[in-house]
Amino acid sequence: QKEVEQDPGPLSVPEGAIVSLNCTYSNSAFQYFMWYRQYSRKGPELLMYTYSSGNKEDGRFTAQVDKSSKYISLFIRDSQPSDSATYLCAMRLNIGNEKLTFGTGTRLTIIP
Amino acid sequence: DTEVTQTPKHLVMGMTNKKSLKCEQHMGHRAMYWYKQKAKKPPELMFVYSYEKLSINESVPSRFSPECPNSSLLNLHLHALQPEDSALYLCASSPLTGRLQETQYFGPGTRLLVL
Repeated sequence: QKEVEQDPGPLSVPEGAIVSLNCTYSNSAFQYFMWYRQYSRKGPELLMYTYSSGNKEDGRFTAQVDKSSKYISLFIRDSQPSDSATYLCAMRLNIGNEKLTFGTGTRLTIIP
Repeated sequence: DTEVTQTPKHLVMGMTNKKSLKCEQHMGHRAMYWYKQKAKKPPELMFVYSYEKLSINESVPSRFSPECPNSSLLNLHLHALQPEDSALYLCASSPLTGRLQETQYFGPGTRLLVL
């Protein structure tokens, strides 16, 4: 079993829809959770980060963490064609451990 | 300056060549990373430098040789690579604040093709 599982997609939704992206993880020691967006042939760009259970909102993006279920989500409201990219979840253990564990990435296409 | 830069953007090399990838950041970050990313896969960690010292080597073959000349620069020296080493090589940096909210910032990558 992989430490982090993420549905690879591809996922296609119409413009304006709400998108839900999810990751599950097996290691309860993960404490810090991130979402990266990666456009084709570019480096990953940090979108959201959180380190506690609950929701964190930034514009059209909401990150949700449920540590009891070992489940994290990223919601995108009012999706735009420019949101078309691969979304990677990533997580980290405690302070002093710099290694990130990534999910496999979900490829998202927003259809105009 | 809030970005990580990488040169070259593209590189084609033969299996007998020696080449180097370069990464630079001027954010004062004290940790720098090399990742390898194959198509439709997540980044795989190769090396981590913390305070200019190699702190993590993920059992990478010796044909990849990292170097951190100073806190802003990170190099990856390539020698006798194999075609399966063709990939996007990503550099990242992080502040090393010692806080839990530590995040890594990625460069655009160097797309490497080994013939």
